[in-house]
Amino acid sequence: GAVVSQHPSRVICKSGTSVKIECRSLDFQATTMFWYRQFPKQSLMLMATSNEGSKATYEQGVEKDKFLINHASLTLSTLTVTSAHPEDSSFYICSASSAGERYGYTFGSGTRLTVV
Amino acid sequence: DAKTTQPTSMDCAEGRAANLPCNHSTISGNEYVYWYRQIHSQGPQYIIHGLKNNETNEMASLIITEDRKSSTLILPHATLRDTAVYYCIVRPISSNTGKLIFGQGTTLQVKP
Repeated sequence: GAVVSQHPSRVICKSGTSVKIECRSLDFQATTMFWYRQFPKQSLMLMATSNEGSKATYEQGVEKDKFLINHASLTLSTLTVTSAHPEDSSFYICSASSAGERYGYTFGSGTRLTVV
Repeated sequence: DAKTTQPTSMDCAEGRAANLPCNHSTISGNEYVYWYRQIHSQGPQYIIHGLKNNETNEMASLIITEDRKSSTLILPHATLRDTAVYYCIVRPISSNTGKLIFGQGTTLQVKP
C-alpha cells in the first residue's frame, strides 16, 4: 500500500529557533499533501493544504508566516515552524492522497515537537 | 466543522465484536464514509470506506444504513491492539485532494 514517511519523529528545539519537518510519499506521487496539528487528548486539526508547485492554502487562524510550507516536488512537502515558542509544542502529522480510491489518504507517523 | 458525530468512548471485551456507530445525517449522495483509527502517538491508519453498500475487508466491516444517515464499523474479534481512537469522516467522491476534517472520534478501549 501507499506509504508516507515523516521525519523526524521527534524533535526538541530551543525557543526562538526554527524546525523543519519533512513529509515524503515513498511509492506514489502526491500533488496534494495536508498538514495537521494535534494537541494532547484532542483531535487532529487541519493547518494547511500543500499543493505541488504552488502556494499552500492555510486554514483560518493558522499563521502562514510562522508555519512555512513548501511542496517543491510530487513526493516531498516540508513544514517549517519558524521562531518556535513553547505553545507550538505539539504533534504534527502530514498526509497525502494516494492513487485511486482504495486508501483515500495516507498519513505519516507524526512528529512530536517540544519547544523548550 | 466535522460532519459526523460519534460517541466519545466505548469499551469492548477482548475477542468480542466491537461495534462503533457514527451519525452522518447531512451526508450527500456524492460523499463517501471513511473510517480511520489512531493508535496513541501514531498517525491515523486507514480502515475502510464505503458509499452505500456494506463493505468488508481484512480489518473490519462497514454497515451503512439504507438512508445513509448513519453507519457502524465492526471489528469482528477485537484484540488489545485495537485500542485506539476511531474516526468516522465523510469525503466527496469526486476529489482526491479535498480536505479531511476530523471530529473527536470514539476512544475504543479493548479490555482483557
